[in-house]
Amino acid sequence: KNEVEQSPQNLTAQEGEFITINCSYSVGISALHWLQQHPGGGIVSLFMLSSGKKKHGRLIATINIQEKHSSLHITASHPRDSAVYICAVREGWTGGGADGLTFGKGTHLIIQP
Amino acid sequence: DTEVTQTPKHLVMGMTNKKSLKCEQHMGHRAMYWYKQKAKKPPELMFVYSYEKLSINESVPSRFSPECPNSSLLNLHLHALQPEDSALYLCASSQAQAMASKLFFGSGTQLSVL
Repeated sequence: KNEVEQSPQNLTAQEGEFITINCSYSVGISALHWLQQHPGGGIVSLFMLSSGKKKHGRLIATINIQEKHSSLHITASHPRDSAVYICAVREGWTGGGADGLTFGKGTHLIIQP
Repeated sequence: DTEVTQTPKHLVMGMTNKKSLKCEQHMGHRAMYWYKQKAKKPPELMFVYSYEKLSINESVPSRFSPECPNSSLLNLHLHALQPEDSALYLCASSQAQAMASKLFFGSGTQLSVL
């Protein structure tokens, strides 16, 4: 079973700072997801990566398959970015079926005004 | 429509009650998931349905009974729950045939068992 480690566990930063959250995993994967969860429960899928880099607004996600590592970056951070950011990996593909994800423990991010 | 809708949003039940959680999506996704999340912990996979068939059961106690009556609907039937089953129950969906596809989550049902 894959082991997914995130760092840091908690991060407090000032508005405008550049934020980096890291994720490493132990077993080869077919895809890695970055998820955002605000207080109250709802989870939003930010990115799904299998290689390279993706950008959406102020968010950038990168993955290095050889090193089994991914990073999520937030540029010009804002208090509304305060949330828990979760890395999750999907290991294999069951040939047309569907399987679940293995989740990291999450990074609790607070952006102060 | 890119929503996964879960009802109810909150549920309080006694240990002898029978209740059901409902999840609905109209994105044509053929994979649907139930996750359980305790406070300050990551979600834990409970069940996966693929093309309306149960494909993964992560050793979930039988007091939780999933049902997928059609491709848009996923239910979780609850019976004789324990207080430790109190948690946020999240439903998600994705395309089943893609090697890797994005997950769409509902906002969850916050369950309290008294």
